Amino acid sequence: GDSVTQKQGQVTLSEDDFLFINCTYSTTTYPTLLWYVQYPGQGPQLLLKVTTANNKGISRGFEATYDKGTTSFHLQKASVQESDSAVYFCALSNTGYQNFYFGKGTSLTVIP
Amino acid sequence: NSKVIQTPRYLVKGQGQKAKMRCIPEKGHPVVFWYQQNKNNEFKFLINFQNQEVLQQIDMTEKRFSAECPSNSPCSLEIQSSEAGDSALYLCASSLFRTGGDERLFFGHGTKLSVL
Repeated sequence: GDSVTQKQGQVTLSEDDFLFINCTYSTTTYPTLLWYVQYPGQGPQLLLKVTTANNKGISRGFEATYDKGTTSFHLQKASVQESDSAVYFCALSNTGYQNFYFGKGTSLTVIP
Repeated sequence: NSKVIQTPRYLVKGQGQKAKMRCIPEKGHPVVFWYQQNKNNEFKFLINFQNQEVLQQIDMTEKRFSAECPSNSPCSLEIQSSEAGDSALYLCASSLFRTGGDERLFFGHGTKLSVL
């Protein structure tokens, strides 16, 4: 079945460091790949969406890319700020199966 | 700010008590999902609806959990007899999914259930 694997559980960076979070996925159809961010006490917010058509998404300084060959997708940011401290989730949406599959989340702490 | 409205934000129940939470999806979104997020941030899918009809649900939902999305009323998720293991953040999300080609999911702030 469809699945998403997100192995980085916790990441600690200093301000202005480069952020890179990787997810791998498994599906038999054409996926839509998404990144969500969840701040304490809130629900997840959609950060970026990447499809097989566009291969890349950019929002709020974050960039998401997708590699069909390695069935992976990445979230990166050139220079993180303390306000970026949150939990980041990758997710796969498969229209044919009408559901979403979430990774286990990466908890990012940015030290000022 | 989230356009999916969940109430209450916090819910405290004793074991064996009923726990009910509500969700108003974003206007125009016919698809509603309920997820359970545990303290390790893991998501567990519970049930989803398109308009008033159930699309999918897991076995757990079929036993102690009940959910509905009536026309012109908030959607709801109810646990008939709460257990300690039900303590979690319950997230409602809505989507245009399948209907407009938009596969994004929009979440509410969640209802944090504590079962004592």
